[in-house]
Amino acid sequence: DQQVKQNSPSLSVQEGRISILNCDYTNSMFDYFLWYKKYPAEGPTFLISISSIKDKNEDGRFTVFLNKSAKHLSLHIVPSQPGDSAVYFCAASAGNNNDMRFGAGTRLTVKP
Amino acid sequence: GAVVSQHPSWVICKSGTSVKIECRSLDFQATTMFWYRQFPKQSLMLMATSNEGSKATYEQGVEKDKFLINHASLTLSTLTVTSAHPEDSSFYICSARDGRVRAFFGQGTRLTVV
Repeated sequence: DQQVKQNSPSLSVQEGRISILNCDYTNSMFDYFLWYKKYPAEGPTFLISISSIKDKNEDGRFTVFLNKSAKHLSLHIVPSQPGDSAVYFCAASAGNNNDMRFGAGTRLTVKP
Repeated sequence: GAVVSQHPSWVICKSGTSVKIECRSLDFQATTMFWYRQFPKQSLMLMATSNEGSKATYEQGVEKDKFLINHASLTLSTLTVTSAHPEDSSFYICSARDGRVRAFFGQGTRLTVV
């Protein structure tokens, strides 16, 4: 069952512009959400996270927004850089000791 | 950040043989470790969750006799693919948690069964 969905398999953005990656979830028990960045043949690296008690978390060029009523979160990258080109996975977790569920990923390409 | 080391990074084996993949948390004690499998252009699929000192919990559809997971210490978990077949060829990734929510991932292991 796909509890976490990333409906856009790919996104192409011009350097300097904003990249917006979207993620939807179905399980209302999820209370912690994470974004991971992944390069080919490497493990994912943590990017940014947000707890369900917040609706926004910002770290440098990366901001994650959470809309609990819509069960939707998004990752904004501003300004986008060519080095941001990678696959971005959205993940959600329910409680401290439970596993994370991943979305299918969105491949971001930032063009110079 | 915390470091999780996965070894080997790639392995080629003959059909019918077994392959062991190691996952180590280098600078923290991992109370829980997870094993994922990634098919090309697909998401990470959770295979099993292991807690130190207890049996792994396998996801539905994952054969526990084929994918043996051992989490003998707080810093090491191993995944053994037994009697490997070409369809087991995939990218396997482990992650480890230190008791908090965030998990740290290994570099992944590319398994090719010929």
